[in-house]
Amino acid sequence: QQQVKQSPQSLIVQKGGISIINCAYENTAFDYFPWYQQFPGKGPALLIAIRPDVSEKKEGRFTISFNKSAKQFSLHIMDSQPGDSATYFCAAGGSNYKLTFGKGTLLTVNP
Amino acid sequence: DTGVSQNPRHKITKRGQNVTFRCDPISEHNRLYWYRQTLGQGPEFLTYFQNEAQLEKSRLLSDRFSAERPKGSFSTLEIQRTEQGDSAMYLCASSLKWGKLFFGSGTQLSVL
Repeated sequence: QQQVKQSPQSLIVQKGGISIINCAYENTAFDYFPWYQQFPGKGPALLIAIRPDVSEKKEGRFTISFNKSAKQFSLHIMDSQPGDSATYFCAAGGSNYKLTFGKGTLLTVNP
Repeated sequence: DTGVSQNPRHKITKRGQNVTFRCDPISEHNRLYWYRQTLGQGPEFLTYFQNEAQLEKSRLLSDRFSAERPKGSFSTLEIQRTEQGDSAMYLCASSLKWGKLFFGSGTQLSVL
């Protein structure tokens, strides 16, 4: 079974701090690595995504770091805000965009 | 709002009953996906359509589950003879051929 392993399960940071969530994958055929944000009662929403031809991608306060040799990627949220409090999922997929998700990280940003 | 729409938002049913969910994708998106999400887990792939063709089905999709996408527009997911283990959030997503997935808010199914 293809797996994407995500850690930590939960994370508490102070407002203005950096939130870091890590993921590791097994299938070397994966070539698309998105991060999704989910609020209670809502479906996941795409935050940012990366392909393995680059090692880092930044969009606003969100950065993905990608290590192809280690088969790991991470999400960094700079200047974390209380409104960032949500569950974050990493995922991995191939050319058909069928995604395999991690189990999620519940982020709480304290004011 | 032209996002992905799912109905109903909530469904409570008794074990053994049949249920049907509907998904209306973003109009220009030709790919449609169904995922299932249980508490504390990430979404799990069930099936996807390109236009009206169902191209892939997960092993999670037992023979009690059937999905259709007539005319490549809306899609329905039917569960026959529901079991308590079917209780979950059923998510629909749509995308362009090489685009990102847009998820709906899901249908929360509770089987009593």
